Amino acid sequence: AQSVTQLGSHVSVSEGALVLLRCNYSSSVPPYLFWYVQYPNQGLQLLLKYTSAATLVKGINGFEAEFKKSETSFHLTKPSAHMSDAAEYFCAVSKPGGSYIPTFGRGTSLIVHP
Amino acid sequence: EADIYQTPRYLVIGTGKKITLECSQTMGHDKMYWYQQDPGMELHLIHYSYGVNSTEKGDLSSESTVSRIRTEHFPLTLESARPSHTSQYLCASSEAGSLMNYGYTFGSGTRLTVV
Repeated sequence: AQSVTQLGSHVSVSEGALVLLRCNYSSSVPPYLFWYVQYPNQGLQLLLKYTSAATLVKGINGFEAEFKKSETSFHLTKPSAHMSDAAEYFCAVSKPGGSYIPTFGRGTSLIVHP
Repeated sequence: EADIYQTPRYLVIGTGKKITLECSQTMGHDKMYWYQQDPGMELHLIHYSYGVNSTEKGDLSSESTVSRIRTEHFPLTLESARPSHTSQYLCASSEAGSLMNYGYTFGSGTRLTVV
């Protein structure tokens, strides 16, 4: 079975600081990995995905994530936080060859201080 | 701009009432999904459909039912609402074969409160 662990239910950064949101996965086969963002009172929006191509994946709004097989991690980063980045971020893992329906983590709330 | 619409956005209803949460998409996606979202918890898949007249239960046991009579419409029904059904319900869709490339398209959700 596949699973996702997001370390830290809340992450607080100052505007302009580095954003690092952690995601570790468990999968019996090389997985597909996703990050979604949810702004207040909205649904989830795909930020970026890893599907076995380049290990460093760039997404929308300046975010990127690096797939590290040895660490079973897919951490999300952004060099400089903006106030508009304040949102809930979800990591998800999917097993290729099956239904592809992803398993989501519990989410990390990103708080950005002025 | 979202092409998947959920109504109502907010609903407060009494115990025992029958309710239907609406979900419609205009993208012609074959696959549609219902998720339950509670604060600090994983999104739980409760139902999904791979096309008209196809529905499956998800990982989370749910007392709700769904139907898929038209490609664009995937309503979720609770025959008798209970306080334990209080949650946010998210509808999503994906094009057949493209889940890995484009992920899901989510609606804005329905926040249900049963009193």
